[in-house]
Amino acid sequence: NAGVMQNPRHLVRRRGQEARLRCSPMKGHSHVYWYRQLPEEGLKFMVYLQKENIIDESGMPKERFSAEFPKEGPSILRIQQVVRGDSAAYFCASSPTSGFLGELFFGEGSRLTVL
Amino acid sequence: KNQVEQSPQSLIILEGKNCTLQCNYTVSPFSNLRWYKQDTGRGPVSLTIMTFSENTKSNGRYTATLDADTKQSSLHITASQLSDSASYICVVSPSYGQNFVFGPGTRLSVLP
Repeated sequence: NAGVMQNPRHLVRRRGQEARLRCSPMKGHSHVYWYRQLPEEGLKFMVYLQKENIIDESGMPKERFSAEFPKEGPSILRIQQVVRGDSAAYFCASSPTSGFLGELFFGEGSRLTVL
Repeated sequence: KNQVEQSPQSLIILEGKNCTLQCNYTVSPFSNLRWYKQDTGRGPVSLTIMTFSENTKSNGRYTATLDADTKQSSLHITASQLSDSASYICVVSPSYGQNFVFGPGTRLSVLP
């Protein structure tokens, strides 16, 4: 039973390019969360999605960032026109249910470096 | 505002010693509290989950306590090992359907 799979594990982009991070949740999980972590800092919530729906995007920057979780395929976190401040580790977590006793399982993260 | 605070921010102990990490939260309503361990460069891994009716839960050398009245939790690590060096994150979940609230973590370093 594979865990949460994130790819790429490492991504290098130049300023102005686009970054696409993918997350395949654990089998049977329909809830996906994205978090950003800067070096030496804690995890910051970005967005919570269920299949084909964005439930909570209160942590997403208003511009350049978007996320989706289609009916088929992985969840995608898309960052357009990246800037140096976007350099961070982006973690995805999945859960079979939300909130109450919904165990969160994390992927190993995608590390974005913007040159 | 739902918030989770952790102390200390960082901690250094010698191998074999015990330590206790603290978590205070203002999340309301409260559903459950989790402790995660995050090794450097890795994703967080769950150590314990506690509901409001549980006071203590153990997982090997890790023991978590919860006082729902004072909204405090602690994670006690017994006989620390070098592999315990990591960040320990307290996460609180409000009612069903709401998002998780993460603490900033405590960075533990275990020295030989």
